Amino acid sequence: EVQLVQSGAEMKKAGESLKISCQVSGYNFNNYWIAWVRQMPGKGLEWMGIIYPGDSDTRYSPSFEGQVTISVDKSISAAYLRWSSLKASDTAVYYCARLWHSGGDRWFDPWGRGTPVTVS
Amino acid sequence: SNELTQPPSVSVSPGQTARITCSGDALSQQHAYWYQHKSGQAPVVVIYKDIERPSGIPERFSGSSSRTTVALTISGVQAEDEADYYCQSADNNADWVFGGGTRLTVL
Repeated sequence: EVQLVQSGAEMKKAGESLKISCQVSGYNFNNYWIAWVRQMPGKGLEWMGIIYPGDSDTRYSPSFEGQVTISVDKSISAAYLRWSSLKASDTAVYYCARLWHSGGDRWFDPWGRGTPVTVS
Repeated sequence: SNELTQPPSVSVSPGQTARITCSGDALSQQHAYWYQHKSGQAPVVVIYKDIERPSGIPERFSGSSSRTTVALTISGVQAEDEADYYCQSADNNADWVFGGGTRLTVL
């Protein structure tokens, strides 16, 4: 069974750093892109960026370029989302998701349950 | 425009049909995907490539497409279908874009 298990809720102060994780199992981690998606309180889903674990090729949404860093650790099949200096506006739930593909089509499946981040 | 527009809310009674639309210029060239998102849970894809239903998704979920508008139809809505539904497609840069989401309320 494919599973994406995300790290637990975080409560941080503005200016602090944070790294949340997404632990993958059930498939070859190196062969599928992993995306991060933000959901701010009461808002919809926003694609933040995506990484290919095989070679760490990474792409960011223009809205998040320079704001976060996406990385992986292939040795433990984990993906990460990192902030160097949090802002109150980073308060949100963050989801990781595998990018599944079929022919030329690509969509997110499955997803993790999300990591709530609260910044005060 | 890379935006996808959904109605904020749709309300139906149990057993009725719910139709959620998603409009955007990108949809004339890109497929759409629909995700069901229940509070506190992981989003789940219920329709992919406009009209395809993944295994395990009930047959009452169906998708349709016409030029720049796609629709998710839930026939015979059940209480368990109450959730937020998001359409998703690709933008001009082949990046991913989500609609604003539609809250389905089962009365």
